[in-house]
Amino acid sequence: AQSVTQLGSHVSVSEGALVLLRCNYSSSVPPYLFWYVQYPNQGLQLLLKYTSAATLVKGINGFEAEFKKSETSFHLTKPSAHMSDAAEYFCAVSDRGKIIFGSGTRLSIRP
Amino acid sequence: GAGVSQSPSNKVTEKGKDVELRCDPISGHTALYWYRQSLGQGLEFLIYFQGNSAPDKSGLPSDRFSAERTGGSVSTLTIQRTQQEDSAVYLCASSLRGAGAMRDVLTFGAGSRLTVL
Repeated sequence: AQSVTQLGSHVSVSEGALVLLRCNYSSSVPPYLFWYVQYPNQGLQLLLKYTSAATLVKGINGFEAEFKKSETSFHLTKPSAHMSDAAEYFCAVSDRGKIIFGSGTRLSIRP
Repeated sequence: GAGVSQSPSNKVTEKGKDVELRCDPISGHTALYWYRQSLGQGLEFLIYFQGNSAPDKSGLPSDRFSAERTGGSVSTLTIQRTQQEDSAVYLCASSLRGAGAMRDVLTFGAGSRLTVL
């Protein structure tokens, strides 16, 4: 079965600094990979999705993720953090339509 | 409907009682999912329905949990003889399968918050 592992349950960065949230997947076949975000007191929404068309995927709010098969990684980055990026971020993988989520990473932004 | 609708939004019950949580997915979405979100526990997969196929129940934590989907649309998650550890937010999501950019992209409902006293 496919799975994803998110390293770091909590990441704190300064406003304007680089954001890096880590996700590694286990899959024997090319996966569909996703990042979702949950802002405080809001529902989950899609940030971006990898479908093998391009290894660098751009999402909403300036986030992007790079698929690296050699490292089985799909890390999420943003060059410059904004206070509004404070949220919980979830990496997910599709296993023949069944979507499995990682344990989540809470991102805090320091002024 | 325009979005995924869940009811009730909040449910407080006593230990040992049964509860039913309802999910109304987006019209035309063939796949429906239930997840459980507990504090600090991430999103736990419970069950997945896809069209007329047998559901994937591999995430249900015990036989007290069951779910059905009637007519390929509305789904009900039932928890029998609730326990305090069942307290969580239960999230429903739906998606399209088949080809296209929206394949497997989940649209979530607002969730049903269950508190077992």
